[in-house]
Amino acid sequence: GDSVTQMEGPVTLSEEAFLTINCTYTATGYPSLFWYVQYPGEGLQLLLKATKADDKGSNKGFEATYRKETTSFHLEKGSVQVSDSAVYFCALSLSFGNEKLTFGTGTRLTIIP
Amino acid sequence: EAGVVQSPRYKIIEKKQPVAFWCNPISGHNTLYWYLQNLGQGPELLIRYENEEAVDDSQLPKDRFSAERLKGVDSTLKIQPAELGDSAVYLCASSLSGGAETQYFGPGTRLLVL
Repeated sequence: GDSVTQMEGPVTLSEEAFLTINCTYTATGYPSLFWYVQYPGEGLQLLLKATKADDKGSNKGFEATYRKETTSFHLEKGSVQVSDSAVYFCALSLSFGNEKLTFGTGTRLTIIP
Repeated sequence: EAGVVQSPRYKIIEKKQPVAFWCNPISGHNTLYWYLQNLGQGPELLIRYENEEAVDDSQLPKDRFSAERLKGVDSTLKIQPAELGDSAVYLCASSLSGGAETQYFGPGTRLLVL
């Protein structure tokens, strides 16, 4: 079945460090790929998405590129801030009648000043 | 614009008791989803509605779980009777339609079954 595998957490970085959170997927079709973020005490929010191969999603300094050849969608940010501390979820969705999101297990990120 | 509203935010019950969760989606959103999130895991879909029709309930444990969206707007998810293993966060999300439309999530209801 369809699945998403995320980098194990938790991840702790110093402010202004470079961030990479790995995400790979298995899907029977051609999925859309998403990164959602969950800040403490809040609901899941869409961070960025990409709907086809080689697309790059970006938002708030975060980027991820849809790599079909490696079935990956790694999240990156060049310089993290304390306010980026949250849980990050990679997810996929197949269209055409199968619109549910399939999530990874989440990666907890803590940024220390 | 108001986001997805869920209530209650927290619920503590004893096992074998019934419990209900309520969700009001973003105005104009035709598609509504209920997800279950266990501790340390990603959310998993329980049921998806297109307007008032449940179009995917394959992951809903129908022996004890039920859901309704009678007028195609707000929705209720019920568990009767609750079991210890039902302790989790129940998330509601909505989108304009299905496909790859962005899903907007509510804050969730955290259930603890004692």
